[in-house]
Amino acid sequence: DARVTQTPRHKVTEMGQEVTMRCQPILGHNTVFWYRQTMMQGLELLAYFRNRAPLDDSGMPKDRFSAEMPDATLATLKIQPSEPRDSAVYFCASGLVVAGSTDTQYFGPGTRLTVL
Amino acid sequence: RKEVEQDPGPFNVPEGATVAFNCTYSNSASQSFFWYRQDCRKEPKLLMSVYSSGNEDGRFTAQLNRASQYISLLIRDSKLSDSATYLCVVSPDTGRRALTFGSGTRLQVQP
Repeated sequence: DARVTQTPRHKVTEMGQEVTMRCQPILGHNTVFWYRQTMMQGLELLAYFRNRAPLDDSGMPKDRFSAEMPDATLATLKIQPSEPRDSAVYFCASGLVVAGSTDTQYFGPGTRLTVL
Repeated sequence: RKEVEQDPGPFNVPEGATVAFNCTYSNSASQSFFWYRQDCRKEPKLLMSVYSSGNEDGRFTAQLNRASQYISLLIRDSKLSDSATYLCVVSPDTGRRALTFGSGTRLQVQP
């Protein structure tokens, strides 16, 4: 049963610290998404990649957030420096997009981040 | 105005009831529509896609009205296990192929 995995599942850190979240997409999927979910804003798209290339990161605060895919099995989302308003659940999702269609996105279990 | 709007609820219904959720979207060029389900402190999972002709999956029926830019989800004979948040999801035709999620409607089915 293929699943998206994310680490860590929980992270508590202090303001100003660097936070790195990792995601392993489902093998064979060519698209990876990063979302942030808060009670106030719901699910917001931060960035997404197709075949490891960033396609859209307009939802991401550029000054402190960065997203990369060093290889097809790993996506990372980094916050430096972190701020209390970054506290949220960060979801990674992967999917297989062919011929311009929109396929199902499969979500990982999320990283629950708390910045004190 | 949000791209996808939903009534946040909560909808509190007894077991066996029929309940309907509605959703409106603002981008008339949207091409794909979905309902996702999210349990408390879990990740969203696809419940069903929504097709122009309407579609049914067991107790769940989804409808799409492109003219009114409106999507609905009907749950018949609701079960305790249906308690969750239901997210209306739209794929805008911008070439981005990313999904836009509504804030969700919370359903609580009571015994």
